[in-house]
Amino acid sequence: KAGVTQTPRYLIKTRGQQVTLSCSPISGHRSVSWYQQTPGQGLQFLFEYFSETQRNKGNFPGRFSGRQFSNSRSEMNVSTLELGDSALYLCASSSYGGTGVAFFGQGTRLTVV
Amino acid sequence: AQSVTQLGSHVSVSEGALVLLRCNYSSSVPPYLFWYVQYPNQGLQLLLKYTSAATLVKGINGFEAEFKKSETSFHLTKPSAHMSDAAEYFCAVSVAFCDNNDMRFGAGTRLTVKP
Repeated sequence: KAGVTQTPRYLIKTRGQQVTLSCSPISGHRSVSWYQQTPGQGLQFLFEYFSETQRNKGNFPGRFSGRQFSNSRSEMNVSTLELGDSALYLCASSSYGGTGVAFFGQGTRLTVV
Repeated sequence: AQSVTQLGSHVSVSEGALVLLRCNYSSSVPPYLFWYVQYPNQGLQLLLKYTSAATLVKGINGFEAEFKKSETSFHLTKPSAHMSDAAEYFCAVSVAFCDNNDMRFGAGTRLTVKP
């Protein structure tokens, strides 16, 4: 079974631009969660989508948004990029319910200059 | 809300020595607890999980963790460290019997293994 795939792996953007990151979950998984990882703040939960609906949201400004498609693939968007948005963005997929085990992709490294 | 605290941001051990990484959790409801490992420029890989079955959980690569409710702890151990164990380790908690998959992670512990 293929794992969680995130594209692109690396991205460089300038301040004020917007960016879209993509995540393809493990086949059959309907839940996709996004996390931001930075040296200063560690791993922080952004949001979770299940069956195209946002089920839970972390404490991030409205510039961070996401969506999920009918095939469970998910995208997250960050508008009006700031230098502090530079981070590793990780996507995790889980099957419905169960033990809540999350399987992570390799992440997208976003650098804002 | 649930949370975890990892004691010690850096741990250094000699090859062959015991590895002990500490994690304490806070949760008002029965928790699910996890340990993940992250190698440089990689995502997180699940080492083991506690989901209210046996309190001593065995994971991959010789790691194990014991759930102690009285101490609200879920420390990770390995009897004999290997050079390949050098990585960052994260403890995480989610709420049991809950439909969403909102996990809260600790700050991480970087493990160094000396030859």
